[in-house]
Amino acid sequence: QVQLVESGGGVVQPGSSLRLSCTGSGYGFSQYGMNWVRQAPGKGLEWLAVIWYDGNNKYYADSVKGRFTISKDNSKNIVYLQLSSLRAEDTAVYYCARHVDGGASTWFDPWGQGTLVTVSS
Amino acid sequence: DIQMTQSPSSLSASVGDRVTITCRASQNVNYYLNWYQQKPGKAPQLLIYAASTLQTGVPSRFSGSGSGTDFTLTISSLQPEDFATYYCQQNHANPTFGPGTKVDIK
Repeated sequence: QVQLVESGGGVVQPGSSLRLSCTGSGYGFSQYGMNWVRQAPGKGLEWLAVIWYDGNNKYYADSVKGRFTISKDNSKNIVYLQLSSLRAEDTAVYYCARHVDGGASTWFDPWGQGTLVTVSS
Repeated sequence: DIQMTQSPSSLSASVGDRVTITCRASQNVNYYLNWYQQKPGKAPQLLIYAASTLQTGVPSRFSGSGSGTDFTLTISSLQPEDFATYYCQQNHANPTFGPGTKVDIK
């Protein structure tokens, strides 16, 4: 079955960097784009970034543009999210979610289980 | 950015109740509107995509309608496993989510 597994979360100090990974399996990884979405404790969902199936196009939310970088390695079935200049408000569970393009609409399915990033001194 | 609103923000209902959640976009998103269900400590799961298409495996008591700026998620007969938070999402422009509607037990 289609599965996404995130890793790389942890506790980091303000100003530091961290790289999250999302490994996909059970589908043609190179044929689909991928999104990253985060959820701060007790809050709603915030879309962060998307990368196209071939890695050639990337788009970011204004809130993370210039600090976060998304990349894709189709040879390893992994999408990365590089987080830099981390702030306390970046504390959240980070999810990856496959980007599905149905022509007349697009949606996220499935989602990984999430990885927790805590930014604290 | 396109802003999404949902109402109500929370509701209490009983098993068997009909539940309706509305979602409004700040501008036209055509049919680029999806609904997700999230249970505590779990990742969101897709319920409905393209405003009204039920994801495979989702019970038929769930339905979606609308287009443009106004959308509705309906649960025809609430079941115990449906107590959760529901989010709408637009994908017409950079994706944005609604703030969520928490459905709990009356």
